Amino acid sequence: QKEVEQNSGPLSVPEGAIASLNCTYSDRGSQSFFWYRQYSGKSPELIMSIYSNGDKEDGRFTAQLNKASQYVSLLIRDSQPSDSATYLCAVIPRQAGTALIFGKGTTLSVSS
Amino acid sequence: GAVVSQHPSRVICKSGTSVKIECRSLDFQATTMFWYRQFPKKSLMLMATSNEGSKATYEQGVEKDKFLINHASLTLSTLTVTSAHPEDSSFYICSARDGAGGYGYTFGSGTRLTVV
Repeated sequence: QKEVEQNSGPLSVPEGAIASLNCTYSDRGSQSFFWYRQYSGKSPELIMSIYSNGDKEDGRFTAQLNKASQYVSLLIRDSQPSDSATYLCAVIPRQAGTALIFGKGTTLSVSS
Repeated sequence: GAVVSQHPSRVICKSGTSVKIECRSLDFQATTMFWYRQFPKKSLMLMATSNEGSKATYEQGVEKDKFLINHASLTLSTLTVTSAHPEDSSFYICSARDGAGGYGYTFGSGTRLTVV
């Protein structure tokens, strides 16, 4: 059973629009959630971390967590072509110790 | 911020040879390091967790005799791919976690291994 699920996309949005990325996880005991951005051939870079239910905003990015639904999302406002990348949801599941477990990623394409 | 240096960034080797990948934490002590591999258009798959001074914990399906991990100091972990085969060609990424929890998870820049 996969622990972290994401729609692989591609998700295409026009420049200036809001991009909405979604992720579900299977371990209800998970406590820590992360969104990473990865450009082709590069390693992931952290965008947001979230630990409590609700919203967390950082600039154009908003992470949303709903532990009851085992759901975490990332909203990107005023999307820019430079946001085009693969977005990886990562979770620390209870049984995996301290390692981050990644979803397969959603490819976002922002057209100008 | 925390920096993890990984090298080489790219390596091409012949089948049957061994390749060593190094991962160094430059400005913090990494008591735990993680090794991932990533195939094209796929997610990062956790291979193993290494703790300084102890044996690595390998994920199910990862051959520990093929992927040798050494974490001999608080700033250095190495992954050696032994007797490499073309199917070992992949993108390998290390991640380090500051023992004090101050920096969270920091990733190296990755190593593109091609076995010919």
